[in-house]
Amino acid sequence: QLQLQESGPGQVEPSETLSLTCTVSAGFITSSVFYWGWIRQPPGKGLEWIGSIYYSGTVYYNPSLMSRVSISVDTSVNQVTLKLRSVTAADTAVYYCARQNGDYFRGDYYYYGIDVWGPGTTVTVSS
Amino acid sequence: EIVLTQSPGTLSLSPGERATLSCRASQSVSGSYLAWYQQRRGQAPRLLIYGASRRATGIPDRFSGSGSGTEFTLTVSRLEPEDFAVYYCQHFGSSQFTFGPGTKVDIK
Repeated sequence: QLQLQESGPGQVEPSETLSLTCTVSAGFITSSVFYWGWIRQPPGKGLEWIGSIYYSGTVYYNPSLMSRVSISVDTSVNQVTLKLRSVTAADTAVYYCARQNGDYFRGDYYYYGIDVWGPGTTVTVSS
Repeated sequence: EIVLTQSPGTLSLSPGERATLSCRASQSVSGSYLAWYQQRRGQAPRLLIYGASRRATGIPDRFSGSGSGTEFTLTVSRLEPEDFAVYYCQHFGSSQFTFGPGTKVDIK
């Protein structure tokens, strides 16, 4: 069964770059029907989508974070990486890696939800 | 930009009761791109419903989704102890994801 696992430092200093890796196991990141995304959740708050990437490198971001975020994929090691620059305390959150399921049929995209989530990793921005 | 509003913010019910959760979109959306998630305390979210009414794999049939346009509903027909959690609706469109603020279902 496909699993996602986030990894990275639990604490980042203000103004620095947050860098997290999502490792996909028991599955192929190069599947043509999946996008791989990052979603975060500040303490006691709701979910915020950060961005998603296709194995080919096609990527789209939340406009509110676009100026600071980059997501990349390394198909050789089945990993997706998130980088968030110039972090502040407002970036303190649990960061989830997740799989977006869908399919293309006759030119149309069919969305099947975010069906696999990693357990999440807590990142605290503090000096 | 689509904005999702969920109501009520908190729903206090007893096990065995029916829960009805609402999700309203700021403009008409296709139900094909509307999903619901459950998040238990300390856990990652779990997909319940996609396409507004299609249950995800392994989801019990006490969970059902309905709606169209700007109004969508998640119904839990009889609450089990493990159903007390926070529920989020979510829309995907124009390569963007939007989540609602969530409805907490707690034990009365």
